[in-house]
Amino acid sequence: DVKVTQSSRYLVKRTGEKVFLECVQDMDHENMFWYRQDPGLGLRLIYFSYDVKMKEKGDIPEGYSVSREKKERFSLILESASTNQTSMYLCASSEGYGSYNSPLHFGNGTRLTVT
Amino acid sequence: GQSLEQPSEVTAVEGAIVQINCTYQTSGFYGLSWYQQHDGGAPTFLSYNALDGLEETGRFSSFLSRSDSYGYLLLQELQMKDSASYFCAVRSKDTNAGKSTFGDGTTLTVKP
Repeated sequence: DVKVTQSSRYLVKRTGEKVFLECVQDMDHENMFWYRQDPGLGLRLIYFSYDVKMKEKGDIPEGYSVSREKKERFSLILESASTNQTSMYLCASSEGYGSYNSPLHFGNGTRLTVT
Repeated sequence: GQSLEQPSEVTAVEGAIVQINCTYQTSGFYGLSWYQQHDGGAPTFLSYNALDGLEETGRFSSFLSRSDSYGYLLLQELQMKDSASYFCAVRSKDTNAGKSTFGDGTTLTVKP
């Protein structure tokens, strides 16, 4: 079974802090994704990566950056947290190029509150 | 870009059949997927349609019509545990990672 593990289930940070959200997958997947989920807005893609050190912007990248130094780990960074970044953050992974019927496997999410 | 529309809420009774529709606008995609998410849980994959037609997996079926830009998820013999949010998603051809764009989700409430 694929396991995607997010380091924190709940996180409370102050405005202006630098925040790191960590995600690790154990199935050697090439693709990794960060989504945020807000009520009524579904899942919106922030950033994704299709290989180590490769990253692409999703639909809402402003205020975020990512790091993928190792294949199994994908980090989301909030450079200077703001209250409008209070949300549920979901990490996902999937098999790589050519495997387009490969589903996304999600972690349990990190609920971030910025005060 | 991609956009998907689905109803925000659906209510049905135990044992009934319910259909959740998804219409989309996309510049090119590989297939239509459906995910289920229980309150407080992670989204989990239900089904995938690469081609037009019906895919059946137990009590759940999914349908795709590319010519109509339309798909649906059909849930039969509804059980209380089916109460959850359901998301349709398209896998884009734009990028190497085949990124998925999700609809806003449909909250299904199953009543006794």
